[in-house]
Amino acid sequence: EVQLVESGGVVVQRGGSLRLSCAASGFTFDDYTMHWVRQAPGKGLEWVSLISWEGGRTYYAESVKGRFTISRDNSKNFLFLQMSDLRTEDSALYYCVKATGSYPYGMDVWGQGTTVTVSS
Amino acid sequence: QSVLTQPPSVSGAPGQRVTFSCSGSNSNIGAGYDVHWYQQLPETAPKLLIYGNINRPSGVPDRFSGSKSGTSASLAITGLQAEDEADYYCQSYDSSLSGVVFGGGTKLTVL
Repeated sequence: EVQLVESGGVVVQRGGSLRLSCAASGFTFDDYTMHWVRQAPGKGLEWVSLISWEGGRTYYAESVKGRFTISRDNSKNFLFLQMSDLRTEDSALYYCVKATGSYPYGMDVWGQGTTVTVSS
Repeated sequence: QSVLTQPPSVSGAPGQRVTFSCSGSNSNIGAGYDVHWYQQLPETAPKLLIYGNINRPSGVPDRFSGSKSGTSASLAITGLQAEDEADYYCQSYDSSLSGVVFGGGTKLTVL
């Protein structure tokens, strides 16, 4: 079974740092682009970042550029999101998402999410 | 303000056909980038409904269909059922932003 399990979400103070992890299983992890997508309470989906299959190419939403870093460990089937200089508007449920095979910007498997709360 | 524009709500009676619009621009849908659609049931993670504009993943009923024309895309649901009540999001890629973009989502109410 294809599965993505996120962890690392906690309550953190404004200006603080945090690293989210995502454990992937059930598929050949290093064949696929991976994404992070977030959803603030009661709001819509917001794409955060993506990383290519080999980790050589990374892209970020303007709202997190320079503060967040996406990375992956293909030997251990893990995806990460290092978050720094956190703002209250970063509070959200963060989803780890697998890209579709033929369409790297499409997303076919979603984790259940991990909640980040940034307190002021 | 989302780069892709979706109406906030749509409603329909059981058995009816409803459509969801997704309006973009020449830097995303109009530039030829594919559109994908997601269904998010209450308190659950989103689920891929349509990928590559018109394709259904295995397990998605053929009541769901997607189309794309110019700078817009649409999702249609025929034979509406109570369990279709959810939020629906379109998504594409935007070359001017060099990133993935989502619509603001449309809430479907089954009357």
